[in-house]
This record gives sequence, structure tokens and C-alpha cells, in this order.
Amino acid sequence: GAGVSQSPRYKVAKRGQDVALRCDPISGHVSLFWYQQALGQGPEFLTYFQNEAQLDKSGLPSDRFFAERPEGSVSTLKIQRTQQEDSAVYLCASSQRTGKSYEQYFGPGTRLTVT
Amino acid sequence: GESVGLHLPTLSVQEGDNSIINCAYSNSASDYFIWYKQESGKGPQFIIDIRSNMDKRQGQRVTVLLNKTVKHLSLQIAATQPGDSAVYFCAEAGSSASKIIFGSGTRLSIRP
Repeated sequence: GAGVSQSPRYKVAKRGQDVALRCDPISGHVSLFWYQQALGQGPEFLTYFQNEAQLDKSGLPSDRFFAERPEGSVSTLKIQRTQQEDSAVYLCASSQRTGKSYEQYFGPGTRLTVT
Repeated sequence: GESVGLHLPTLSVQEGDNSIINCAYSNSASDYFIWYKQESGKGPQFIIDIRSNMDKRQGQRVTVLLNKTVKHLSLQIAATQPGDSAVYFCAEAGSSASKIIFGSGTRLSIRP
């Protein structure tokens, strides 16, 4: 079946613009995760949803970052007033069950470049 | 985590040889340790995991070793193939379902 998809794959934003990144998880997956991956580094956790509930947002770097999953499937990561340090690849992952967070299936990511 | 910057540690291996990728982890309370493979332009792909009460686990062509005494994890790839070229990340997770903590990566390159 289809894996995790993300759109857009590439996004260029001018500093100060707002952006919205979309994640379509694998159908039926309960858990959804967002990560930020800077160039040459490992992914860093941003936030976690179980169905529509955002259970952990401890990794969001500032209040300019906001994520939602209103119907428990598609999720959107929104970044307001983008800054250059927001440039990174944003990865989405989904997992079938709770209790086994390591069985995560990752999407290809959205590469955000802030100029 | 700490910044590795643009210069990932690189392991160069002759095609057909075995590869050993090492990782040091920080949290002795982690329950699971995982290895991911990331190819250029793609998201990380799960390879193998090991629970903290084990010291060795084998998969297809891969073996993970866990040494809790020195907080060390290794991934062994047998008979390395060109398709194994990628960046490899170790990661750790707790018993809850909320997050995975990725370590620094190692770039594996294969010499023909």
C-alpha cells in the first residue's frame, strides 16, 4: 500500500512568510510524528499525535510552530513568520499502534529553505 | 542533540566486506535501540531494533549488538552491497510511545 506522503516536497519562503506543510500518514495509523532534520544531522522530534490529540509538543522550537491533526488522519505543520534558522527538512512519520514508537514509517520530507 | 554539522563520520568499505557502524548512546533508561538507514532525498527507514534486556539480535544480513555497560550500540552488515550506501542513524526510545531520540549519523560508502 501507499506509504507516508508529504507535500510540498520543496518549499522556498521569504523570511517572515508563513508556511504550511502537509502529511498524509499510512491509512489507519494511529500515531503521527513530526521531526525537523537540519543538514548533516539526525532528525529531531517536534511533536506527536495519537489520533487527533496532540500528546507531546515538547520539541516545537518556538510558538511560531503549530501542528494540527483535526480528524486524526492528515496533519499540517504550520510555521509562522519563518526565519532562516527554520531551514531544514521536515519529516513526518506514522505508526500503527501506540506503545511501539520505534516502528515508525517516515515520509520523504519537505525541504524548507528560508531566504 | 549535538551538532554533527555537514561533516558526517564516514565509513568506506569494500564491496563484499562486512561493515561495522558504531554508536554511543546517552540515556541508560532507554528501553529500545533502533538503527535507521537514510538514503539521499528519503526519510529514515527502519532496519532493526533491540530491546534493552538483550545484547544481540540478528536480521537479514544485519546484526545489532548492545553493550549497556559502556552504552555502546553497533550495527554489523554482512557482505556489504552498493545498495547499502546511505547514512545510518542509531536511535533510542523509552517505554512510552511518544518519541525517538536520534543519534549522530554515519555515512557508509561502498568501494567497488
